[in-house]
Amino acid sequence: QAVVTQEPSLTVSPGGTVTLTCGSSTGAVTSSHYPYWFQQKPGQAPRTLIYDTSNKHSWTPARFSGSLLGGKAALTLSGAQPEDEAGYYCLLSYSGAVIFGGGTKLTVL
Amino acid sequence: QVQLQESGPGLVRPSETLSLTCAVSGASVNGFYWSWIRQPPEKGLQWIGSVYYSGSANYNPSLKSRVSISIDTSKNHFSLNLRSVTAADTAMYYCARGVGPRYWGQGTLVTVSS
Repeated sequence: QAVVTQEPSLTVSPGGTVTLTCGSSTGAVTSSHYPYWFQQKPGQAPRTLIYDTSNKHSWTPARFSGSLLGGKAALTLSGAQPEDEAGYYCLLSYSGAVIFGGGTKLTVL
Repeated sequence: QVQLQESGPGLVRPSETLSLTCAVSGASVNGFYWSWIRQPPEKGLQWIGSVYYSGSANYNPSLKSRVSISIDTSKNHFSLNLRSVTAADTAMYYCARGVGPRYWGQGTLVTVSS
């Protein structure tokens, strides 16, 4: 079974930009993995920010964007806000099954 | 706006079967995939499996021997059964719409303990 990897933790300054990545043990991540990104705050259910690489939900703040970068899926936060401090998970699809990454704890400091 | 609500026992004895239901409102289950996902305390997310409205299902290989997911289109809900549970199955259980989940329930905590 594939392993999906994320940075365990990252720190960004308020107003700064940070990129979270999502890699696959099977090789380069492509649009055929239909990458998803989720945000989870303590005590809350996850909420979906990005689906199918770069598509946003109506509730996704404009400062979040998804892309493919250097063989990985990427979530870029431009203009970080204190409320963006949270856990972020990616998900990749593999022939009918899906695998979550281990998550990135993002600190805004 | 689609809404999902998990329900079921919060405590299950070891070796017994964990059974949860997800009620869907604001949308029909027809035409979509529906999923169960879990998160042990202080750990990451794990996909359990997904069911199509037709009833066909896919499961996480690590759980496949113990899990079944079914759907009832007449009641607009879907269900999870996880057999032979142990303490390692203690987790928050979420239901969601889509194999890649786009809409999530609030989750229900299930503790496996005697």
